[in-house]
Amino acid sequence: DTAVSQTPKYLVTQMGNDKSIKCEQNLGHDTMYWYKQDSKKFLKIMFSYNNKELIINETVPNRFSPKSPDKAHLNLHINSLELGDSAVYFCASSLTSGGPGETQYFGPGTRLLVL
Amino acid sequence: AQTVTQSQPEMSVQEAETVTLSCTYDTSENNYYLFWYKQPPSRQMILVIRQEAYKQQNATENRFSVNFQKAAKSFSLKISDSQLGDTAMYFCAFMKGQSNAGKSTFGDGTTLTVKP
Repeated sequence: DTAVSQTPKYLVTQMGNDKSIKCEQNLGHDTMYWYKQDSKKFLKIMFSYNNKELIINETVPNRFSPKSPDKAHLNLHINSLELGDSAVYFCASSLTSGGPGETQYFGPGTRLLVL
Repeated sequence: AQTVTQSQPEMSVQEAETVTLSCTYDTSENNYYLFWYKQPPSRQMILVIRQEAYKQQNATENRFSVNFQKAAKSFSLKISDSQLGDTAMYFCAFMKGQSNAGKSTFGDGTTLTVKP
């Protein structure tokens, strides 16, 4: 059974378009995250949600808007896509409130390519 | 702010041999956690091992073990009896000890190739 799943796996789109990436976890976790991994493989947190509430919002352009309809889902919507948005986006989840040292479980990633 | 440095962009090892991946970090915190993640070609991020800074004993997980040197702020990963399936990119990560909503800082990664 897939623990943390993301759709789509690959996304190729034109500059200026709006796109969404979906994430679902069936682990019963309370906290979910979005990470961005750029072309140099550098992995950086973007957002985290705990029980549908935003907890972490790093310095991310406001073209990126996470949406959490329930605690099992955290979707990432990106407006007016730019070339620099090309990256692999990882969703992750953790059991409670992202407390000290809590293990995060990652999804398979979504490779976004903006042309 | 915390920083995590992995000084070896690429490494290779012969199957069945042992390899050590290095990681150093910089922090003023006393209570924190350290992780090693594996990212195979499938891109999945998989937790390999974790270490609590307050524990002196080095964490081990089957063929994977760490050498945690708190004073030196060093956290190396040793892979024994390397297998072809260990080929992947390995990331070292740091997390503060107090609740910070799970925010982790990752190193740039080390690409490990296990050769037959």
